[in-house]
Amino acid sequence: SQKIEQNSEALNIQEGKTATLTCNYTNYSPAYLQWYRQDPGRGPVFLLLIRENEKEKRKERLKVTFDTTLKQSLFHITASQPADSATYLCALSDNFNKFYFGSGTKLNVKP
Amino acid sequence: DAGVIQSPRHEVTEMGQEVTLRCKPISGHNSLFWYRQTMMRGLELLIYFNNNVPIDDSGMPEDRFSAKMPNASFSTLKIQPSEPRDSAVYFCASRAGRTNEKLFFGSGTQLSVL
Repeated sequence: SQKIEQNSEALNIQEGKTATLTCNYTNYSPAYLQWYRQDPGRGPVFLLLIRENEKEKRKERLKVTFDTTLKQSLFHITASQPADSATYLCALSDNFNKFYFGSGTKLNVKP
Repeated sequence: DAGVIQSPRHEVTEMGQEVTLRCKPISGHNSLFWYRQTMMRGLELLIYFNNNVPIDDSGMPEDRFSAKMPNASFSTLKIQPSEPRDSAVYFCASRAGRTNEKLFFGSGTQLSVL
């Protein structure tokens, strides 16, 4: 079965720096990869989607890359702010019906 | 738009009791998903519906779990009898169409089975 790995250790960075989160997967060939943000006590919120034929996608301070050869996605937040502190989840899908989520990485941005 | 609405927000029950979780999807959305989130296993898909019809329930852990969607604006997830290992946060999510990429999640129900 598919396996999705995100760093379980929290990422601590200083305000203004670029945060980079990693999502690795095995036993799967997704057509789509998404990133969600989850705050404590809340459900995940959709941020970005990238398709298998796209290498990079940007939205404001966010950038996502998708390397189907390495089976990896990188999620970048530039000029990070304390308000960016949250848990970030990646989700994979091959047909928009089943979305498989990673366990998420907690990001702490310190002022 | 009120978003996806789940109730209750918190449920504490004793082992063996029946638990019913409720979800109201966003109006106009025709796909609905039930997920369970735990520290150990992360976010797991339990079942999803398209146009009120269950499409895939392979994630439902066992026969104690059942889900219904009697109409486009309401779904329930029932656990009978509940067990301590069912303790988790249960999320409902909806989507506008079969090929729309965004899932909209509710705030979840925190279930504790003692």
